[in-house]
Amino acid sequence: ETGVTQTPRHLVMGMTNKKSLKCEQHLGHNAMYWYKQSAKKPLELMFVYNFKEQTENNSVPSRFSPECPNSSHLFLHLHTLQPEDSALYLCASSPSGLRGGRDEQFFGPGTRLTVL
Amino acid sequence: DAKTTQPTSMDCAEGRAANLPCNHSTISGNEYVYWYRQIHSQGPQYIIHGLKNNETNEMASLIITEDRKSSTLILPHATLRDTAVYYCIVKGGYQKVTFGTGTKLQVIP
Repeated sequence: ETGVTQTPRHLVMGMTNKKSLKCEQHLGHNAMYWYKQSAKKPLELMFVYNFKEQTENNSVPSRFSPECPNSSHLFLHLHTLQPEDSALYLCASSPSGLRGGRDEQFFGPGTRLTVL
Repeated sequence: DAKTTQPTSMDCAEGRAANLPCNHSTISGNEYVYWYRQIHSQGPQYIIHGLKNNETNEMASLIITEDRKSSTLILPHATLRDTAVYYCIVKGGYQKVTFGTGTKLQVIP
């Protein structure tokens, strides 16, 4: 138990569906992250939020739309996805992504997404 | 542009110390060395980090060479539950974390 929860844990969706992934952290952290992990590939950073403001968008397609209503919650809205978007989507939080040097991240268990 | 180099895989006998090396020859003065691990199909787990001194916590020890160009993560008594992919990451300032391919550690009974 890392203090970061993600729902749902598994999701199957069609290419025309709209769904959302939810992440919640109970650690009092100020930074939150979305990562994508495709089969046999390294983790890819997608988005970073610091104090609810987006500070990093790693050239992610617009069919992925993040939302951070407060420092404890992070959403990833999905629409018109492609089969190649099937992957493990991981959320993480850290004390502050803006703090220099040390800033260890704590990860949730991930959402296993399958796009049909 | 990889900042760290790790062996692709390693084996370790259960109960023995697992020593995982990492090269980071281009590390700069304000960059920390972090270690994470990822057990199959789970989220990565933070293990330890250090700047220039050796560090120890309940999970592992981190040995950083004096020139800081390499480090070793030590799991003192490896168990089967330590089988995972171990990532060595260098990060400083406002840099984003970049995960490489890591070292796949297999603990053998």
